[in-house]
Amino acid sequence: GAGVSQSPSNKVTEKGKDVELRCDPISGHTALYWYRQSLGQGLEFLIYFQGNSAPDKSGLPSDRFSAERTGGSVSTLTIQRTQQEDSAVYLCASSLYGGPTDTQYFGPGTRLTVL
Amino acid sequence: AQTVTQSQPEMSVQEAETVTLSCTYDTSESDYYLFWYKQPPSRQMILVIRQEAYKQQNATENRFSVNFQKAAKSFSLKISDSQLGDAAMYFCAYRSANSGYALNFGKGTSLLVTP
Repeated sequence: GAGVSQSPSNKVTEKGKDVELRCDPISGHTALYWYRQSLGQGLEFLIYFQGNSAPDKSGLPSDRFSAERTGGSVSTLTIQRTQQEDSAVYLCASSLYGGPTDTQYFGPGTRLTVL
Repeated sequence: AQTVTQSQPEMSVQEAETVTLSCTYDTSESDYYLFWYKQPPSRQMILVIRQEAYKQQNATENRFSVNFQKAAKSFSLKISDSQLGDAAMYFCAYRSANSGYALNFGKGTSLLVTP
């Protein structure tokens, strides 16, 4: 079946503009995660959605970052008033139930460049 | 918070040889999961192998095996009979059995495979 997909693949924007990044999880997966991978760094957790529960936003770096998940499926990560330090690859992952034994399946990421 | 350390930014191995990538972690928990993910230039993170902390037996997946030393908080990955397709970034990751969602990643090791 289809894996996790993300769009766009690459995004170049100017400082101060807003951007939206999209994630389509694997069909039937109830858990969805966003991570950020800055140059030369590991992945940094941003936000987690599990079914209809309130999302865990503890990893969001500032209030310029927000995310929503509509209908328990597609998720959008929004970054307002982008800054150059927001440049990174944004990876989305989904898993079946969100439990600790679940395998997280990753999408190919969106490379965001803020000029 | 749990921290994951990969002390080797880069490693090189000749085709058909064996290489070991190191990972250490810091946690006060007794129950958790450890992972090795591979990230090729396509950016898509691929699960290589997983280890449950309660299992004493080291996990093995074909040419990939781990050396899990719980007391030492060490989790190394051994790649046998290295192939050109193994060239990638390798990330070690920790996941709590209690919180159950986000993965904590190390900064990665870049593996070069030479013919």
